Amino acid sequence: AQKVTQAQTEISVVEKEDVTLDCVYETRDTTYYLFWYKQPPSGELVFLIRRNSFDEQNEISGRYSWNFQKSTSSFNFTITASQVVDSAVYFCALIQPNAGGTSYGKLTFGQGTILTVHP
Amino acid sequence: EAQVTQNPRYLITVTGKKLTVTCSQNMNHEYMSWYRQDPGLGLRQIYYSMNVEVTDKGDVPEGYKVSRKEKRNFPLILESPSPNQTSLYFCASSFDGGWGYTFGSGTRLTVV
Repeated sequence: AQKVTQAQTEISVVEKEDVTLDCVYETRDTTYYLFWYKQPPSGELVFLIRRNSFDEQNEISGRYSWNFQKSTSSFNFTITASQVVDSAVYFCALIQPNAGGTSYGKLTFGQGTILTVHP
Repeated sequence: EAQVTQNPRYLITVTGKKLTVTCSQNMNHEYMSWYRQDPGLGLRQIYYSMNVEVTDKGDVPEGYKVSRKEKRNFPLILESPSPNQTSLYFCASSFDGGWGYTFGSGTRLTVV
């Protein structure tokens, strides 16, 4: 069975601080994809990044960066110099494309981390 | 524009009154899925469909029905809604189920 854990329920920071959102996953498959989604107060789910299990390179996109470590089954997300507009719920998720039965194509989400950035 | 369209965005209903939330995608995707989002629980899969006339249960299927008569549509049916089905619902579609999903804007359902 696959599982995603986001242990941080809520994080509160002041603008311009750096913040890291943790994500730990469990899967038996060697092939999988990891995702981060942002859910702003308006409620829609905004795709941020997809990473496959064979690519452990870290990725940076503007103020966002992601650290994928298979050894610790973690896919952490860092926002540098946070801004008020970063306030949202952030979800980490996992897909096992080769899983059989009811797990096939199933996107499993973590519980989400509520990030509040204060001015 | 490639998108997943859900309707309605907001719905308040009474216990026991049957309702349908519609979902349509214009990307010719094979896979479609319904999720519900509840505080502290993240998003949980209700049902999914791998193709026309092929559907299967997710993690929390009780109290819900789905159908996939056409590739583009995947409605969610609540035959007899109860207050514990008050939630935020998302429909999503994917080209092959393993590459990632495109989500609709969500339907906020309140059952009183």
